[in-house]
Amino acid sequence: QKEVEQNSGPLSVPEGAIASLNCTYSDRGSQSFFWYRQYSGKSPELIMSIYSNGDKEDGRFTAQLNKASQYVSLLIRDSQPSDSATYLCAVTPNFNKFYFGSGTKLNVKP
Amino acid sequence: NAGVTQTPKFQVLKTGQSMTLQCAQDMNHNSMYWYRQDPGMGLRLIYYSASEGTTDKGEVPNGYNVSRLNKREFSLRLESAAPSQTSVYFCASKLAGRTGELFFGEGSRLTVL
Repeated sequence: QKEVEQNSGPLSVPEGAIASLNCTYSDRGSQSFFWYRQYSGKSPELIMSIYSNGDKEDGRFTAQLNKASQYVSLLIRDSQPSDSATYLCAVTPNFNKFYFGSGTKLNVKP
Repeated sequence: NAGVTQTPKFQVLKTGQSMTLQCAQDMNHNSMYWYRQDPGMGLRLIYYSASEGTTDKGEVPNGYNVSRLNKREFSLRLESAAPSQTSVYFCASKLAGRTGELFFGEGSRLTVL
């Protein structure tokens, strides 16, 4: 069983602030890591992927990976109300099976 | 461009009834997945299919069967529905190889009374 842990939140941040979302995983064989965003009542969509230790930036989003600590994070800079959603962390050991955390709900207050 | 299409979108069953959730994708993807999503539990993998003719169990396969009918279609069957199977079911697909982008359908909300 692959365990992926996330704080369920809700995490509330004011508009324009940095939102920090965290994820830990138990399987050291996990090779690749992903962040999905899910709006209420909608299906998840991929926003970031990261494969090696360090930071990966894409616009206002930065994914951080520390394999030694088995820790993945997502930073959202200049948070907007449209970023309000549930953020799901996913891991895979082999690009066949993908295991998701329970998600962190983010509220960005105008 | 339809992407991943799931039917039905809503279904109410009585305990012990059977039903099949249908999923079809038009993106020529090799891999297809069935997940269930319950409040506070995130997405849990039920079954997946890496290619036509192959299927494999995920985290929570008990009470379900799947069929990969062809490259486009992957169905999920509940033979004898139980209240514990009340959930939102998502089908997803992806390209073969080292890609983590799963494309999800809109979900099917199933209630078992």
